[in-house]
Amino acid sequence: DVKVTQSSRYLVKRTGEKVFLECVQDMDHENMFWYRQDPGLGLRLIYFSYDVKMKEKGDIPEGYSVSREKKERFSLILESASTNQTSMYLCASRLEDSFNEKLFFGSGTQLSVL
Amino acid sequence: KQEVTQIPAALSVPEGENLVLNCSFTDSAIYNLQWFRQDPGKGLTSLLLIQSSQREQTSGRLNASLDKSSGRSTLYIAASQPGDSATYLCACALEYGNKLVFGAGTILRVKS
Repeated sequence: DVKVTQSSRYLVKRTGEKVFLECVQDMDHENMFWYRQDPGLGLRLIYFSYDVKMKEKGDIPEGYSVSREKKERFSLILESASTNQTSMYLCASRLEDSFNEKLFFGSGTQLSVL
Repeated sequence: KQEVTQIPAALSVPEGENLVLNCSFTDSAIYNLQWFRQDPGKGLTSLLLIQSSQREQTSGRLNASLDKSSGRSTLYIAASQPGDSATYLCACALEYGNKLVFGAGTILRVKS
């Protein structure tokens, strides 16, 4: 089975801190995604990556950046954390750039910004 | 802009009941539609994927249907069990752009 691992289950940070969320997948998937999930809003796409060193903005990229130096790892960076970035963050991966391929999700990181 | 709505937002049923979860979308130009399950505090697990050319998909006690022209999909769960308690989300893959649009989910509780 595909395993998508997010490094932290819970994180508490202070306003203005730089925050790194890490995601690793073990099945050589090309595509990786970062979503945030808020009650009543569903999942919203922040950034995605087709391949190493490639990235595309999603629907809500403001205040975030990403890094994909290796195929298996996709990092989400909050440059200066703010309270409105308190959320559940979900990483996902997919074998290739095709909607016929299923998305595999990590368990999520619940981030609280105080 | 594609909008995906799931009704009801929450549902509580006794064990053994058959139930239907609804998903509607505003733009019929979809590539496919997926149903996901999310357990509390966890990530999403893909349950069923229906291509735009298909009418339904089945997996065990789950059956998902798609009516693209009316912008609707349903997830039918037969003989519900307490272990089915979770949040169920649907997501549309748009024909244009590399994007999934998610609904907010239906929280299902099956009482024993």
